[in-house]
Amino acid sequence: AQSVTQLGSHVSVSEGALVLLRCNYSSSVPPYLFWYVQYPNQGLQLLLKYTSAATLVKGINGFEAEFKKSETSFHLTKPSAHMSDAAEYFCAVGYNQGGKLIFGQGTELSVKP
Amino acid sequence: DAGVIQSPRHEVTEMGQEVTLRCKPISGHDYLFWYRQTMMRGLELLIYFNNNVPIDDSGMPEDRFSAKMPNASFSTLKIQPSEPRDSAVYFCASSLAGGGPDTQYFGPGTRLTVL
Repeated sequence: AQSVTQLGSHVSVSEGALVLLRCNYSSSVPPYLFWYVQYPNQGLQLLLKYTSAATLVKGINGFEAEFKKSETSFHLTKPSAHMSDAAEYFCAVGYNQGGKLIFGQGTELSVKP
Repeated sequence: DAGVIQSPRHEVTEMGQEVTLRCKPISGHDYLFWYRQTMMRGLELLIYFNNNVPIDDSGMPEDRFSAKMPNASFSTLKIQPSEPRDSAVYFCASSLAGGGPDTQYFGPGTRLTVL
């Protein structure tokens, strides 16, 4: 079955430190991969997406993610965390089955001053 | 663009009452999704439509839940009768994915509390 796993339900970093949020997917076919962010009391919004072009994808707010087929991973990174990055982050994967996306369980990012 | 519009934003009701949540997708989008989010279960896909036709309702928890999409610009999710365990945030999302999966745009959600 197709699935996506986010390692760590909660990640805490200091302001200015590297942010690394992990996502692995299970698939035998090339996927479409997405990262979404959810701020408190809001809906999910797209950070970035991979659709078989460049393997390093740049998104909004300084985030980027690298697609590694050999590792079936799509980890999200940001070189320097800001307090405003505190939110929940969701990895999602889609396949050639129409519009459906499979979402991970989410990782809550806390940023300490 | 106005984005995905959901109403009401908050709903408080008593157990046994009927609840109707509404969604207006982004104009031109061909997919519409209903999700439920809780602390315990995370984000769950309930049902989705393609060109107003329900494609997969396997996530609908019980027969108490029903969803309709009478036209391309409107969808409803109904719970009848409601129960306290239905308390959650319900999101509607839409996408233009005729050629494969693409970005889903989420509404602000409806926070439902069933007393």
